[in-house]
Amino acid sequence: KAGVTQTPRYLIKTRGQQVTLSCSPISGHRSVSWYQQTPGQGLQFLFEYFSETQRNKGNFPGRFSGRQFSNSRSEMNVSTLELGDSALYLCASSGDRGSTDTQYFGPGTRLTVL
Amino acid sequence: AQKITQTQPGMFVQEKEAVTLDCTYDTSDPSYGLFWYKQPSSGEMIFLIYQGSYDQQNATEGRYSLNFQKARKSANLVISASQLGDSAMYFCAMREYGYGGATNKLIFGTGTLLAVQP
Repeated sequence: KAGVTQTPRYLIKTRGQQVTLSCSPISGHRSVSWYQQTPGQGLQFLFEYFSETQRNKGNFPGRFSGRQFSNSRSEMNVSTLELGDSALYLCASSGDRGSTDTQYFGPGTRLTVL
Repeated sequence: AQKITQTQPGMFVQEKEAVTLDCTYDTSDPSYGLFWYKQPSSGEMIFLIYQGSYDQQNATEGRYSLNFQKARKSANLVISASQLGDSAMYFCAMREYGYGGATNKLIFGTGTLLAVQP
């Protein structure tokens, strides 16, 4: 079974631009979660989508948004980029069949904002 | 509020020796899960082991075992027979099941950087 894939792997943007990151979950997984990882703040939960609905949201400004498609693929968008948005963005998918379901992560998208 | 604490920023271990990475957690939810992930320098988070709050026995997965002490709220990862390829950042994470409805949200600790020396 193919793992979680994320595209692109690397991105360089300038302040004020917007960016869209993509995540394809493991086949059959309906839950997709996004995390931001920075040296200063560590790993922080952004949001989770399940069956095209946002199920949970972390404490991030409205510039961070996401969506999930009917095939469970998910995108996250960051508008009006700031220098502090430079981070590794990780996507994780889960089967959500029970309490023991594990989240499996993709390789991440490394975003650099100049 | 839920919280994960990893007090060891970095650790060294000799190849073939065992090492214990510490993790304590705080939650008021009686139903929760604890996870350990490995993150090599490439960035990908690799799932290692899971322990549920109601599991009676400590979880084991190959060379990984989880020393779960519920009363102390600790979930330490034990790696036996360390290998050079074990050098990486290790994260402890928690997922709560009872409050706030269904969610896969994970709360992570700050991680422990493990260096395996030959």
